[in-house]
Amino acid sequence: GAGVSQTPSNKVTEKGKYVELRCDPISGHTALYWYRQSLGQGPEFLIYFQGTGAADDSGLPNDRFFAVRPEGSVSTLKIQRTERGDSAVYLCASSSNTGFEMGLHFGNGTRLTVT
Amino acid sequence: GENVEQHPSTLSVQEGDSAVIKCTYSDSASNYFPWYKQELGKGPQLIIDIRSNVGEKKDQRIAVTLNKTAKHFSLHITETQPEDSAVYFCAATASGDYKLSFGAGTTVTVRA
Repeated sequence: GAGVSQTPSNKVTEKGKYVELRCDPISGHTALYWYRQSLGQGPEFLIYFQGTGAADDSGLPNDRFFAVRPEGSVSTLKIQRTERGDSAVYLCASSSNTGFEMGLHFGNGTRLTVT
Repeated sequence: GENVEQHPSTLSVQEGDSAVIKCTYSDSASNYFPWYKQELGKGPQLIIDIRSNVGEKKDQRIAVTLNKTAKHFSLHITETQPEDSAVYFCAATASGDYKLSFGAGTTVTVRA
């Protein structure tokens, strides 16, 4: 079946602007994750949803970052007042459960460039 | 929190030779260790994982070993092929923990 879909694949924005990044998880996956990958680095955890609620948002770098998943499926990562340091690939992943049998399925990411 | 270190950062091997990537972790509570392969422009793809109740796991040409005492684990790719060229990431997490801590990655180049 279809994998995790992220849109847009690329986003260029000016410093100070607001952006929204969308993630469509694999159908039926209850857990959804956002990670951020800077150039030459491994992904870093941002936030985790179990169903509609954000179970852990401890990885969000500051209050300019916010994510929602209102119906327990599609999620949107929102970044206000973007800064050049926000430039990275934002990865979304989903899994059918959490814990020991995790098996994360990643999307191809959204490459965000803040000029 | 968990800190995962990965070596080497780059690895070039002749086609048909073996490739070995090593990782260490800091949190003794971690007991799930997946390996991901990332091709250019794609998201990471899980290729193999190991849990703390086993010391080794093999799947065709890839194998992973785990030494919990020393807190290190390794990925072994045998009979490398050009399509094995990619960036490989190790990761670690504790059972019930949904946060993966990733290493910085190893760029593997297989020379034909």
